[in-house]
Amino acid sequence: QVQLVQSGAEVKKPGASVKVSCKASGYTFTSHYIYWVRQAPGQGLEWMGIMYPSGGSTRYAQNLQGRVTMTRDTSTSTVYMQLSSLRSDDTAVYYCARQMGAEESPFDYWGQGTLVTVSS
Amino acid sequence: SYVLTQPPSVSVAPGQTARITCGGDNIGSKNVHWYQQKPGQAPVLVISYDSDRPSGIPERFSGSNSGNTATLTISRVEAGDEADYYCQVWDSSRDLNWVFGGGTKLTVL
Repeated sequence: QVQLVQSGAEVKKPGASVKVSCKASGYTFTSHYIYWVRQAPGQGLEWMGIMYPSGGSTRYAQNLQGRVTMTRDTSTSTVYMQLSSLRSDDTAVYYCARQMGAEESPFDYWGQGTLVTVSS
Repeated sequence: SYVLTQPPSVSVAPGQTARITCGGDNIGSKNVHWYQQKPGQAPVLVISYDSDRPSGIPERFSGSNSGNTATLTISRVEAGDEADYYCQVWDSSRDLNWVFGGGTKLTVL
């Protein structure tokens, strides 16, 4: 069965970086795009960016350009999301999600979420 | 950028019908997806492409989309349906971008 398993919770200081992993299994890793979505405490969902596992290309939300980097390791079917220059308002649960198919298709499988807390 | 507007909360008694709206400019021309999120859990897709129900989602969940409003309808509401619900569309008008509504808290009285 399809699974996306994320790394554990992180606590970081302002200005630091965090790297969250998302390991995919149960399907052909290079056949589906992977998105990152975050959710601040008590808030809604915010799209962060997309990783195209087959070629490794990425596209990021404008408000995170310059601070977010997404990479992948095809040998382990793992996608990584690194966020730098962390601020307190980056405190959120970070999710990876698989896109079902074509460009406008929904996210059919989600990781369990990774809580990142930014605090001095 | 494109904006999706959802009511913050909807309340309904068990067995009744809940309707959760998602407003956007000419949203009827876009594909709308709906997610259910229970506390401490990841979102779950409950309706795709306006009205398609993924495998495993009860028939009580349905969707429609026309004009400036998309609607998620939950019939014969159960206590287990209490959750936050989010609508989602792909906005290709300027920057290619996924847009989520602000979410609606469904309370089962």
